[in-house]
Amino acid sequence: QVQLQESGPGLVKPSETLSLTCTVSGGSISGYYWSWIRQPPGKGLEWIGYIYYSGSTNYNPSLKSRVSMSVDTSKNHFSLKLSSVTAADTAVYYCAKHKVNDYGVPEYFQHWGQGTLVTVSS
Amino acid sequence: EIVLTQSPATLSLSPGERATLSCRASQSVRNGLAWYQQTAGQAPRLLIYDASNRATDVPARFSGSGSGTGFTLTISSLEPEDFAVYYCQQRSNWPFSTWTFGQGTKVEI
Repeated sequence: QVQLQESGPGLVKPSETLSLTCTVSGGSISGYYWSWIRQPPGKGLEWIGYIYYSGSTNYNPSLKSRVSMSVDTSKNHFSLKLSSVTAADTAVYYCAKHKVNDYGVPEYFQHWGQGTLVTVSS
Repeated sequence: EIVLTQSPATLSLSPGERATLSCRASQSVRNGLAWYQQTAGQAPRLLIYDASNRATDVPARFSGSGSGTGFTLTISSLEPEDFAVYYCQQRSNWPFSTWTFGQGTKVEI
C-alpha cells in the first residue's frame, strides 16, 4: 500500500517561500501523477497543482504565478514551492496520488498524505 | 471553470438513519465525479469515483448516483464513524485539467 508523507517548515514568514516535500513509500513515484492540495483551517479543499513523474506540471490558474513543483525519482519524492506567501496561504497542505482512468488520464485523488499545517506569520 | 455546489451545508441525523447528499455542477461533467469523506483531523478519503463506483474497502452502505450536472451520495444507514464532512470533486477537460471541490456537507449527530 503506497504511503505519502509531507515534510517541511511549519512556520513561514510573510513574503517568503513555502517549501514542502512529499516522500512516497510502498511504491514507485514513476509512472504516476502527483498533486498538492491545501485546506485553510475550517475551510474546504483547494487543488494547487500536479506533477507527472517525468516532470510535466499543471497548476491551478489562481496560484500559477507563485507555484512551482519538482520531482526527484531517485529519492522517490516530489516538492512544492509557493512564493510570496501571505496569511491567506495558511493551511494544511496535502500531497496525493492520482487514480488514472483506462486512458492514463489522472482523475481522482486515490491516496493522501496525512497533511502538514503551514502557518504564515511573522 | 466548473463550480460544484453541495447541499445541504449541514445534515443533522442519528445513527441508523439514511443520509442523502447532493452535488450540482454548473455544467455537465458526464460521470466524472468523486466523493470524499473527511473525519476530524484526518486527510480526505476517496469513497466514490466515476459517480457510482465504490473505492477499495468502502462499505456497501455508501452509494453514488447521477450524471451530467446532478449527483447524489447516499449512506443507507449511518454508523457512528460516518459522521464527517463529505466533498464532491470533478476534473475539467484533459489535457489542461484543473480539479475543483464542492464546499462540503457536514453530517452531524
